[in-house]
Amino acid sequence: AQSVTQLDSQVPVFEEAPVELRCNYSSSVSVYLFWYVQYPNQGLQLLLKYLSGSTLVESINGFEAEFNKSQTSFHLRKPSVHISDTAEYFCAVKGDTGNTGKLIFGQGTTLQVKP
Amino acid sequence: DAGVTQSPTHLIKTRGQHVTLRCSPISGHKSVSWYQQVLGQGPQFIFQYYEKEERGRGNFPDRFSARQFPNYSSELNVNALLLGDSALYLCASSGTGRGETQYFGPGTRLLVL
Repeated sequence: AQSVTQLDSQVPVFEEAPVELRCNYSSSVSVYLFWYVQYPNQGLQLLLKYLSGSTLVESINGFEAEFNKSQTSFHLRKPSVHISDTAEYFCAVKGDTGNTGKLIFGQGTTLQVKP
Repeated sequence: DAGVTQSPTHLIKTRGQHVTLRCSPISGHKSVSWYQQVLGQGPQFIFQYYEKEERGRGNFPDRFSARQFPNYSSELNVNALLLGDSALYLCASSGTGRGETQYFGPGTRLLVL
């Protein structure tokens, strides 16, 4: 079984400041890792994912996340945030086993970008 | 290309009633998954269907059921609604392969009074 812990429920930050949203997971098998973003009253949008290969993955809008197997972490970072980044962010894990596509999500982190 | 679509967008029901939620996957996707997102929490996995067969089921009571049709669209049914069933119900579709990304629809917001 897998589980995901997002260590911060809310992260307030000023515009143009750097930010890190923390995610730790537990699993007895190899995993695939995802970050999704949810804007108010909308569904989830994929931000980035780690499947294999390079442990640093990037999104098209400046976010990046690094897979750290020894620390079982997949923290999300952005060097300079914008007001438009204000949203709920979810870390998710999927075990590399079986045929089920079940995603296990963390509780979410609310990123509040202030002007 | 159209993304995942869900209907209806909002729904109000009373306790004890039945509800049916619908989902159309992205064209070419054969797998559909359903998630429940209670306010302030992350989505919880309910079901996954692939090629009309159930591939996974989360920890939900038998009041929850689903099916997938030959065109890969899907329905989620919930019987004997409880107040605690109030949530955003999300549908996601994906292709085959273990690392396939799940693409989510906008959700159906269900309120049970």
